[in-house]
Amino acid sequence: DADVTQTPRNRITKTGKRIMLECSQTKGHDRMYWYRQDPGLGLRLIYYSFDVKDINKGEISDGYSVSRQAQAKFSLSLESAIPNQTALYFCATKDQKSTDTQYFGPGTRLTVL
Amino acid sequence: EDQVTQSPEALRLQEGESSSLNCSYTVSGLRGLFWYRQDPGKGPEFLFTLYSAGEEKEKERLKATLTKKESFLHITAPKPEDSATYLCALSGGSNYKLTFGKGTLLTVNP
Repeated sequence: DADVTQTPRNRITKTGKRIMLECSQTKGHDRMYWYRQDPGLGLRLIYYSFDVKDINKGEISDGYSVSRQAQAKFSLSLESAIPNQTALYFCATKDQKSTDTQYFGPGTRLTVL
Repeated sequence: EDQVTQSPEALRLQEGESSSLNCSYTVSGLRGLFWYRQDPGKGPEFLFTLYSAGEEKEKERLKATLTKKESFLHITAPKPEDSATYLCALSGGSNYKLTFGKGTLLTVNP
């Protein structure tokens, strides 16, 4: 089984809809991250969480919100989706006690029409 | 502000033709320099972490090296299955977030 899972893997939605992307991990890591990837722009950080009660904005948090339901679960919500939020979304985890290496999930391809 | 620049943007090689990918960076206090491999539509797969200038790490046909200003990913005798986008990232200072480059798309033709 994969250490970091994301659901759904693909989603097509319409402008204005609320969308939730979910991430679960079995690595036992305390830190979790949400990134989006756009062609030509690379990976950009949306939100990150050091533990259940510590959530921080990344460089492109506008239009997004997150929830850390448990150490192993971190959800990303788009309150009112817009077409320029069409992208690949990745969740990542890191163990605070070891290196800075982050481990990524398989991604969610989101299309907003 | 931490910055990562990867070159070239795309590289096409023949099978067996060795080459190198470049990652130049600016950072105040490097904590780690990371290389990832990403296949189309998939999540980045961790390859290497380098911590200090002069450090080298190897895995199969890949070797990563680090200087104070750049890192290289050397690919020796590549095979078609090495085709992927290779991402470079760094963590710096007291900032535990990763800053990514835009990647190099490597294509190895049989």
